[in-house]
Amino acid sequence: EIVLTQSPGTLSLSPGERATLSCRASQSVSSSYLAWYQQKPHQAPRLLIYDASSRATGIPDRFSGIGSGTDFTLTISRLEPEDFAVYYCQQYDSSPWSFGQGTTVEVK
Amino acid sequence: EVQLVQSGAEVKKPGESLKISCKTSGYTFSNSWIAWVRQMPGKGLEWMGVIYPGDSDTRYSPSFQGQVTISADTSIRTAYLQWSNLQASDTAMYYCARLTGSGSYPNKKFDSWGQGTLVTVSS
Repeated sequence: EIVLTQSPGTLSLSPGERATLSCRASQSVSSSYLAWYQQKPHQAPRLLIYDASSRATGIPDRFSGIGSGTDFTLTISRLEPEDFAVYYCQQYDSSPWSFGQGTTVEVK
Repeated sequence: EVQLVQSGAEVKKPGESLKISCKTSGYTFSNSWIAWVRQMPGKGLEWMGVIYPGDSDTRYSPSFQGQVTISADTSIRTAYLQWSNLQASDTAMYYCARLTGSGSYPNKKFDSWGQGTLVTVSS
């Protein structure tokens, strides 16, 4: 099973700042089968990025993903008030699918 | 528009059985995998299992194998998650999600989610 480790656990930033979230896999994720999800309180997760770097439909271009192998990054170029949430990475290279433990982006 | 609408919150006692549902619309139900994901209070996301309604091919995470049963009814475009013997540790929010992607299983991403069903198990 591929274990995903996200860092940091919590990111305290102000609106307008840049957020950089990391996701490291215990083994290589082939074909960059990695996704990022956003979850706000009392809401279902929402797909942001898939295949490591492709934005899902309707996702603003301030969200970007990059990475391959075992190291992946989600960047939010300029934080908007609605971006403060929990972010999860997830691999769909091999079963069982696994999620990282999440990174909370909170208002500083 | 793709929609997944889940059944309402449930309160059960330990040892009881339960079946929750995920009704879909806006796409060809038989042609996309549907997964179930658990989120315990204050915790992260855990994949439980998945079904391909077209042929009822069902796969489970090792952590949930034997603990739950996933099924689907193509006539009403609905997927189900059921328990036969609930425990307090099953208290959680449960999400269904549609999987898509150009690759074959398991190379599918969770692209649309239901709103979640809160299951509370307490004596």
